[in-house]
Amino acid sequence: EIVMTQSPATLSLSPGERATLSCRASQSVSSSLAWYQQKVGQAPRLLIYDASTRATGIPARFSGSGSGTEFTLTISSLQSEDFALYYCQQYHNWPPFTFGGGTKVEIK
Amino acid sequence: QLQLQESGPGLVKPSETLSLTCTVSGGSIISTNHYWGWVRQPPGKGLESIGSVYYSGSTYYNPSLKSRVTMSVDTSKNQFSLKLTSVTAADTAVYYCARHGTPWVTTGFDCWGQGTLVTVSS
Repeated sequence: EIVMTQSPATLSLSPGERATLSCRASQSVSSSLAWYQQKVGQAPRLLIYDASTRATGIPARFSGSGSGTEFTLTISSLQSEDFALYYCQQYHNWPPFTFGGGTKVEIK
Repeated sequence: QLQLQESGPGLVKPSETLSLTCTVSGGSIISTNHYWGWVRQPPGKGLESIGSVYYSGSTYYNPSLKSRVTMSVDTSKNQFSLKLTSVTAADTAVYYCARHGTPWVTTGFDCWGQGTLVTVSS
């Protein structure tokens, strides 16, 4: 099973700042990597797939990069609605799909 | 647009079987481009993939749960289902149904149900 590790666990930032979230895979997942946003009491929402492709309707301030074992989700300028939990997920080798432990982006 | 909705008991006794159904609306479960999966999230914790089913009935299960999981599909009702046997308190979680791509074109889970909390307790 591929283990996904996210860092940091919590990111404290102010609106308008840039957020950089990291995700590391225990072995190469090529570009088979997705990012999700989850707000309290809601289901996850797909933001990015194939490491860098924005899902339908996702604003351009969200961008993904990386391949192999190292990946980054960048939010260029945080809006109030962006403060949430973020998960990465690999789909290179499944079952099972595996998720990272999550990064909480909170208001500083 | 496509919508998924979970249904089933919110409380299950230890050692019994958890049974959930996901109803797909706004689209057909008969899709050559998609699998239909279950993901769970224990309270305050992260996401765990349980498994997936194709409209033909083909399945993939998480090896850690494989001995207890059965998934099926009912194309006449546009539904797919999850059964998890011999549950314990560790199976208490919000259970989501979600859609993803096929093994040859996978793009992550692009549509999710709202989730249903299942508590295992006597």
